[in-house]
Amino acid sequence: GEDVEQSLFLSVREGDSSVINCTYTDSSSTYLYWYKQEPGAGLQLLTYIFSNMDMKQDQRLTVLLNKKDKHLSLRIADTQTGDSAIYFCAESTGGYQKVTFGTGTKLQVIP
Amino acid sequence: NAGVTQTPKFRVLKTGQSMTLLCAQDMNHEYMYWYRQDPGMGLRLIHYSVGEGTTAKGEVPDGYNVSRLKKQNFLLGLESAAPSQTSVYFCASSYSGGLGETQYFGPGTRLLVL
Repeated sequence: GEDVEQSLFLSVREGDSSVINCTYTDSSSTYLYWYKQEPGAGLQLLTYIFSNMDMKQDQRLTVLLNKKDKHLSLRIADTQTGDSAIYFCAESTGGYQKVTFGTGTKLQVIP
Repeated sequence: NAGVTQTPKFRVLKTGQSMTLLCAQDMNHEYMYWYRQDPGMGLRLIHYSVGEGTTAKGEVPDGYNVSRLKKQNFLLGLESAAPSQTSVYFCASSYSGGLGETQYFGPGTRLLVL
């Protein structure tokens, strides 16, 4: 079945760039997503990329997709303390009822 | 506009007890979902609904039942709670189930089954 893997923890200094990585197994993935979960809150969709794209940029966020290696990354430029959260990678081959989530990467931003 | 709300925020149950989690959305969304989140695991879909009066099974439906009698509400029931159902439960909604569409999440319900 589908599997989405992420490293569990990342620590960066405020002002540096953060890169959160994700690998997935389903080669038929159509959409890949990045969600952010702040403490005590639900998930919030940050951005998504369609599988025929290599890169998507949205302000401080850059998503890179290497479809050959089934590797997705989220780069956060000029990381701020407010970016501290858990970031989930997810992939889908169909509608939302077929979304597979990764285990989440906890990003800690050190002032 | 409250978005997606969940009731209760926290609950402790004894094994064998029953309870209902309530999810409400005021965005006129057609699709609603119930997920559970466990340590070291991503969210897993329990049940979902594509419209009022409809429900469907997700990835981990066993031990749960749902109802969508009104478009704005999606109820998750545990008939006989088990310790394995200790988890954080998230409700979400979306206008449709289309790819790339934003899914809005509630704040979660933390359930502890002793």
